[in-house]
Amino acid sequence: NAGVTQTPKFQVLKTGQSMTLQCAQDMNHNSMYWYRQDPGMGLRLIYYSASEGTTDKGEVPNGYNVSRLNKREFSLRLESAAPSQTSVYFCASSGLLRGNTEAFFGQGTRLTVV
Amino acid sequence: ELKVEQNPLFLSMQEGKNYTIYCNYSTTSDRLYWYRQDPGKSLESLFVLLSNGAVKQEGRLMASLDTKARLSTLHITAAVHDLSATYFCADRGGADGLTFGKGTHLIIQP
Repeated sequence: NAGVTQTPKFQVLKTGQSMTLQCAQDMNHNSMYWYRQDPGMGLRLIYYSASEGTTDKGEVPNGYNVSRLNKREFSLRLESAAPSQTSVYFCASSGLLRGNTEAFFGQGTRLTVV
Repeated sequence: ELKVEQNPLFLSMQEGKNYTIYCNYSTTSDRLYWYRQDPGKSLESLFVLLSNGAVKQEGRLMASLDTKARLSTLHITAAVHDLSATYFCADRGGADGLTFGKGTHLIIQP
């Protein structure tokens, strides 16, 4: 039961470097999300995708881009990393954007930007 | 602006005691979610509350939803150390995914 798989689990970047966080789900879910978690802040939505081919901004999209590659995969790209992007990133998926099912989360990517 | 407010944000309690975590939300949503997170781990779904008056129980945890008051509660009965974790409530009132509270960091001491 893979569920939602994120890679990598850990990453250290230098300021200005770029990277892509990968996420894949095997639950045939339509909706996928990227959140960041910072101490004392809960989880904040960066971007979401209600279905294949669509993406929308969440609460904190600045400095990020996303791609919904197909129904299974949703990637998050940092074009020019900044120390403020040091965080734990979670990918999640759910059956319907406004449906009754909860979101299922990946194991997270701990990113440090120095 | 969607808001989800939890209180308390930090709770230290003794084993065997009862306590309640409160979650207030600002939308007219009729659905509310509770998650558990252990240190360094991902979020695990605990409860999905889908209508006014919904009550769900799992072991020593019971969650309820009052949509008129825009309030959900997570009640812990006779706490045990294994329940130490951070608990999040989340609202699905907006068009874009879940809006989370800041979490309640719960420590249960022997």
